[in-house]
Amino acid sequence: IAGITQAPTSQILAAGRRMTLRCTQDMRHNAMYWYRQDLGLGLRLIHYSNTAGTTGKGEVPDGYSVSRANTDDFPLTLASAVPSQTSVYFCASSDRAESYNEQFFGPGTRLTVL
Amino acid sequence: GQNIDQPTEMTATEGAIVQINCTYQTSGFNGLFWYQQHAGEAPTFLSYNVLDGLEEKGRFSSFLSRSKGYSYLLLKELQMKDSASYLCAVEDSNYQLIWGAGTKLIIKP
Repeated sequence: IAGITQAPTSQILAAGRRMTLRCTQDMRHNAMYWYRQDLGLGLRLIHYSNTAGTTGKGEVPDGYSVSRANTDDFPLTLASAVPSQTSVYFCASSDRAESYNEQFFGPGTRLTVL
Repeated sequence: GQNIDQPTEMTATEGAIVQINCTYQTSGFNGLFWYQQHAGEAPTFLSYNVLDGLEEKGRFSSFLSRSKGYSYLLLKELQMKDSASYLCAVEDSNYQLIWGAGTKLIIKP
């Protein structure tokens, strides 16, 4: 693995179903993030984690949950998907010990909720 | 509230120069980032400014004026591969990035 990977690449999901988007990084970054990107809007932060074992809510956390059991993995769960959660989801990571908070992005997951 | 404004779309000619502006109003300021995002791909880091002035990196330069809440990205000697969206983001006082909606740059031959 080099950098950040996300799975699945894309998914079509029925409304009401539970779904977990996976994210793994091998850069030993302490901070990780989940964003959603919708046409005409900027990246919006869903949840973040500054270090393993801690998580925080971003701008649009409702309907989503995360966990950070270790440094490398940061899964995002939709407990009961709704059509408004149709979006492209990006996972990112950064080394908060660096002089500036450059974030590195995974390739994204394109999710469609019908 | 927090707000970052960029033009939605710009068009330029191959070989020319283009300037993409970004204005911001955020809760605190710890730096400003520019990212490039090709269609269907992830954003990738271009530049970072925390002090006023110009940062040059090859064909790309980024300028910051903290007193004016203003930045621009300057792209010189445009190439077709520069067709992409350019995202401006500000790190706020909580060390989170606040993102603009992005500027789609179209390069014409």
